[in-house]
Amino acid sequence: QVQLVQSGSELKRPGASVKVSCKASGYTFSRYAMNWVRQAPGQGPEWIGWVNSNTGESTYAYGFRGRFVFSLDTSVSTAYLQISSLKAEDTAVYYCVREGVPLPQYYFFLDVWGNGTTVTVSS
Amino acid sequence: QSVLTQPPSVSAAPGQKVTISCSGSSSNIGHNYVFWFQQLPGTAPKLLIYDTNKRPSGIPDRFSGSKSGTSATLGITGLQTGDEADYYCATWDSSLLGVFGGGTKLTVL
Repeated sequence: QVQLVQSGSELKRPGASVKVSCKASGYTFSRYAMNWVRQAPGQGPEWIGWVNSNTGESTYAYGFRGRFVFSLDTSVSTAYLQISSLKAEDTAVYYCVREGVPLPQYYFFLDVWGNGTTVTVSS
Repeated sequence: QSVLTQPPSVSAAPGQKVTISCSGSSSNIGHNYVFWFQQLPGTAPKLLIYDTNKRPSGIPDRFSGSKSGTSATLGITGLQTGDEADYYCATWDSSLLGVFGGGTKLTVL
Protein backbone atom coordinates (compact mmCIF):
# COMPACT_ATOMS: atom_id res chain seq x y z
CA GLN A 1 0.00 0.00 0.00
CA VAL A 2 1.04 3.59 -0.54
CA GLN A 3 2.95 4.88 2.46
CA LEU A 4 4.86 8.04 3.33
CA VAL A 5 7.20 7.78 6.31
CA GLN A 6 8.72 10.97 7.66
CA SER A 7 11.75 11.66 9.80
CA GLY A 8 11.54 12.20 13.53
CA SER A 9 10.88 15.27 15.63
CA GLU A 10 13.36 18.13 15.62
CA LEU A 11 14.18 20.78 18.22
CA LYS A 12 16.03 23.76 16.78
CA ARG A 13 17.24 27.17 17.89
CA PRO A 14 16.01 30.29 16.11
CA GLY A 15 18.17 30.99 13.07
CA ALA A 16 19.11 27.36 12.54
CA SER A 17 18.08 25.14 9.63
CA VAL A 18 16.21 21.85 9.49
CA LYS A 19 15.74 19.21 6.81
CA VAL A 20 12.69 16.95 6.96
CA SER A 21 12.61 13.73 4.94
CA CYS A 22 9.68 11.82 3.49
CA LYS A 23 10.29 8.30 2.19
CA ALA A 24 7.67 6.95 -0.19
CA SER A 25 6.80 3.33 -0.83
CA GLY A 26 4.09 1.36 -2.59
CA TYR A 27 4.09 3.36 -5.84
CA THR A 28 6.42 4.73 -8.51
CA PHE A 29 7.83 7.81 -6.81
CA SER A 30 8.60 9.82 -9.94
CA ARG A 31 5.07 9.47 -11.32
CA TYR A 32 3.34 11.53 -8.64
CA ALA A 33 4.02 15.02 -7.32
CA MET A 34 4.60 15.66 -3.63
CA ASN A 35 2.98 18.40 -1.61
CA TRP A 36 4.14 19.82 1.71
CA VAL A 37 1.70 21.09 4.33
CA ARG A 38 2.29 22.50 7.77
CA GLN A 39 0.00 22.68 10.76
CA ALA A 40 0.85 24.98 13.66
CA PRO A 41 -0.38 23.99 17.13
CA GLY A 42 -4.15 24.34 17.35
CA GLN A 43 -4.39 25.67 13.80
CA GLY A 44 -5.62 24.39 10.46
CA PRO A 45 -3.29 23.10 7.77
CA GLU A 46 -1.38 25.48 5.51
CA TRP A 47 -0.21 24.45 2.05
CA ILE A 48 3.50 25.15 1.58
CA GLY A 49 3.76 24.05 -2.04
CA TRP A 50 4.51 21.12 -4.30
CA VAL A 51 7.38 19.53 -6.16
CA ASN A 52 7.26 17.70 -9.47
CA SER A 53 8.86 14.37 -8.56
CA ASN A 54 9.91 13.82 -12.16
CA THR A 55 11.51 17.17 -13.02
CA GLY A 56 12.22 18.61 -9.56
CA GLU A 57 10.40 21.83 -10.43
CA SER A 58 8.90 23.41 -7.30
CA THR A 59 5.99 25.75 -6.66
CA TYR A 60 5.71 27.58 -3.35
CA ALA A 61 2.81 29.38 -1.71
CA TYR A 62 3.45 33.10 -1.30
CA GLY A 63 4.22 32.99 2.40
CA PHE A 64 6.78 30.24 1.97
CA ARG A 65 9.05 31.62 -0.72
CA GLY A 66 12.68 32.11 0.22
CA ARG A 67 13.33 30.07 3.37
CA PHE A 68 11.54 26.88 2.32
CA VAL A 69 13.13 24.61 -0.28
CA PHE A 70 12.00 21.26 -1.67
CA SER A 71 14.40 18.64 -2.97
CA LEU A 72 14.32 15.03 -4.09
CA ASP A 73 16.44 11.90 -4.13
CA THR A 74 14.61 9.70 -6.59
CA SER A 75 17.14 6.86 -6.12
CA VAL A 76 15.68 6.28 -2.65
CA SER A 77 12.14 7.59 -3.34
CA THR A 78 12.54 10.38 -0.84
CA ALA A 79 11.40 13.99 -0.79
CA TYR A 80 12.91 16.65 1.45
CA LEU A 81 11.81 19.96 2.91
CA GLN A 82 14.56 22.27 4.13
CA ILE A 83 13.72 25.35 6.18
CA SER A 84 16.43 27.91 6.86
CA SER A 85 16.63 30.84 9.30
CA LEU A 86 14.07 29.19 11.55
CA LYS A 87 11.70 31.36 13.56
CA ALA A 88 9.54 30.53 16.55
CA GLU A 89 6.47 30.81 14.33
CA ASP A 90 7.79 27.90 12.22
CA THR A 91 6.95 25.60 15.13
CA ALA A 92 4.49 23.14 13.62
CA VAL A 93 3.90 19.63 12.33
CA TYR A 94 5.09 19.31 8.76
CA TYR A 95 3.43 16.78 6.45
CA CYS A 96 4.39 15.46 3.06
CA VAL A 97 1.30 14.59 1.03
CA ARG A 98 1.15 12.74 -2.27
CA GLU A 99 -0.67 14.31 -5.21
CA GLY A 100 -3.37 11.81 -6.17
CA VAL A 101 -3.15 12.10 -9.95
CA PRO A 102 -0.10 11.08 -11.97
CA LEU A 103 2.18 13.67 -13.49
CA PRO A 104 2.13 15.81 -15.55
CA GLN A 105 -1.30 16.54 -14.07
CA TYR A 106 -1.65 18.47 -10.83
CA TYR A 107 -4.79 19.77 -9.18
CA PHE A 108 -4.26 19.77 -5.44
CA PHE A 109 -5.56 16.25 -4.87
CA LEU A 110 -3.95 15.42 -1.52
CA ASP A 111 -4.67 11.72 -1.26
CA VAL A 112 -2.03 10.15 1.01
CA TRP A 113 -0.50 11.95 3.99
CA GLY A 114 2.74 11.20 5.78
CA ASN A 115 2.86 10.64 9.53
CA GLY A 116 4.08 14.19 10.17
CA THR A 117 7.30 15.65 11.57
CA THR A 118 7.14 17.98 14.55
CA VAL A 119 9.57 20.88 14.30
CA THR A 120 9.95 22.95 17.45
CA VAL A 121 11.87 26.23 17.31
CA SER A 122 12.83 27.52 20.71
CA SER A 123 15.74 29.22 22.39
CA GLN B 1 -7.54 34.23 9.09
CA SER B 2 -8.30 31.48 6.59
CA VAL B 3 -9.36 32.12 3.01
CA LEU B 4 -12.12 29.53 3.39
CA THR B 5 -14.57 30.12 6.24
CA GLN B 6 -15.90 27.25 8.33
CA PRO B 7 -17.92 27.28 11.56
CA PRO B 8 -15.56 26.61 14.50
CA SER B 9 -17.75 23.85 15.87
CA VAL B 10 -20.87 21.78 15.26
CA SER B 11 -22.53 19.13 17.38
CA ALA B 12 -25.26 16.55 17.11
CA ALA B 13 -26.42 13.37 18.80
CA PRO B 14 -25.44 9.85 17.71
CA GLY B 15 -27.49 8.70 14.74
CA GLN B 16 -28.35 12.23 13.67
CA LYS B 17 -27.20 14.20 10.64
CA VAL B 18 -24.88 17.19 10.61
CA THR B 19 -23.65 19.55 7.90
CA ILE B 20 -20.46 21.59 7.85
CA SER B 21 -20.25 24.62 5.60
CA CYS B 22 -17.23 26.07 3.81
CA SER B 23 -17.54 29.52 2.33
CA GLY B 24 -15.13 30.86 -0.26
CA SER B 25 -15.15 33.06 -3.34
CA SER B 26 -15.20 32.98 -7.12
CA SER B 27 -11.41 32.66 -7.17
CA ASN B 28 -11.47 29.39 -5.27
CA ILE B 29 -14.59 27.33 -4.56
CA GLY B 30 -16.52 29.05 -7.34
CA HIS B 31 -14.30 27.57 -10.04
CA ASN B 32 -12.54 24.56 -8.53
CA TYR B 33 -13.14 21.21 -6.94
CA VAL B 34 -13.49 21.06 -3.17
CA PHE B 35 -11.80 18.52 -0.92
CA TRP B 36 -12.67 17.56 2.63
CA PHE B 37 -10.36 16.06 5.22
CA GLN B 38 -11.01 14.42 8.57
CA GLN B 39 -8.41 14.76 11.32
CA LEU B 40 -8.81 12.52 14.34
CA PRO B 41 -6.99 13.66 17.48
CA GLY B 42 -3.24 13.20 17.23
CA THR B 43 -3.28 11.93 13.66
CA ALA B 44 -2.63 13.25 10.17
CA PRO B 45 -5.56 14.54 8.12
CA LYS B 46 -7.27 11.94 5.95
CA LEU B 47 -8.95 12.53 2.61
CA LEU B 48 -12.70 12.20 3.02
CA ILE B 49 -14.17 13.79 -0.13
CA TYR B 50 -12.49 14.70 -3.42
CA ASP B 51 -13.73 16.42 -6.55
CA THR B 52 -16.41 18.11 -4.42
CA ASN B 53 -18.64 15.02 -4.05
CA LYS B 54 -16.63 11.81 -4.55
CA ARG B 55 -15.52 9.44 -1.83
CA PRO B 56 -12.20 7.55 -1.87
CA SER B 57 -12.50 3.81 -1.48
CA GLY B 58 -13.11 2.86 2.12
CA ILE B 59 -15.01 6.03 3.03
CA PRO B 60 -18.60 5.13 3.96
CA ASP B 61 -21.51 6.67 2.10
CA ARG B 62 -22.57 8.38 5.32
CA PHE B 63 -20.19 11.12 4.18
CA SER B 64 -21.21 13.34 1.27
CA GLY B 65 -20.10 16.56 -0.34
CA SER B 66 -21.83 19.24 -2.38
CA LYS B 67 -21.25 22.73 -3.72
CA SER B 68 -23.39 25.69 -4.66
CA GLY B 69 -21.79 28.81 -6.07
CA THR B 70 -18.94 29.80 -3.77
CA SER B 71 -19.90 27.56 -0.84
CA ALA B 72 -19.44 23.87 -0.19
CA THR B 73 -21.00 21.54 2.33
CA LEU B 74 -19.94 18.31 3.99
CA GLY B 75 -22.78 16.13 5.21
CA ILE B 76 -22.50 13.30 7.69
CA THR B 77 -25.46 11.04 8.43
CA GLY B 78 -25.87 8.35 11.06
CA LEU B 79 -23.38 10.07 13.36
CA GLN B 80 -21.09 7.83 15.40
CA THR B 81 -18.84 8.70 18.32
CA GLY B 82 -15.90 7.76 16.12
CA ASP B 83 -16.77 10.67 13.83
CA GLU B 84 -15.62 13.14 16.48
CA ALA B 85 -12.80 14.97 14.75
CA ASP B 86 -11.73 18.18 13.11
CA TYR B 87 -12.94 18.62 9.53
CA TYR B 88 -11.23 20.82 6.96
CA CYS B 89 -12.26 21.94 3.51
CA ALA B 90 -9.65 22.79 0.90
CA THR B 91 -9.45 23.90 -2.69
CA TRP B 92 -7.29 25.68 -5.25
CA ASP B 93 -7.31 29.46 -5.41
CA SER B 94 -6.31 31.26 -8.60
CA SER B 95 -4.21 33.77 -6.65
CA LEU B 96 -3.24 32.05 -3.43
CA LEU B 97 -2.86 28.52 -4.82
CA GLY B 98 -3.69 25.75 -2.28
CA VAL B 99 -5.95 26.95 0.54
CA PHE B 100 -7.60 25.33 3.55
CA GLY B 101 -10.48 26.28 5.79
CA GLY B 102 -9.88 27.01 9.46
CA GLY B 103 -11.51 23.75 10.48
CA THR B 104 -14.66 22.64 12.25
CA LYS B 105 -14.66 20.57 15.40
CA LEU B 106 -17.43 17.98 15.38
CA THR B 107 -18.76 16.84 18.74
CA VAL B 108 -21.07 13.85 18.90
CA LEU B 109 -23.10 14.42 22.05
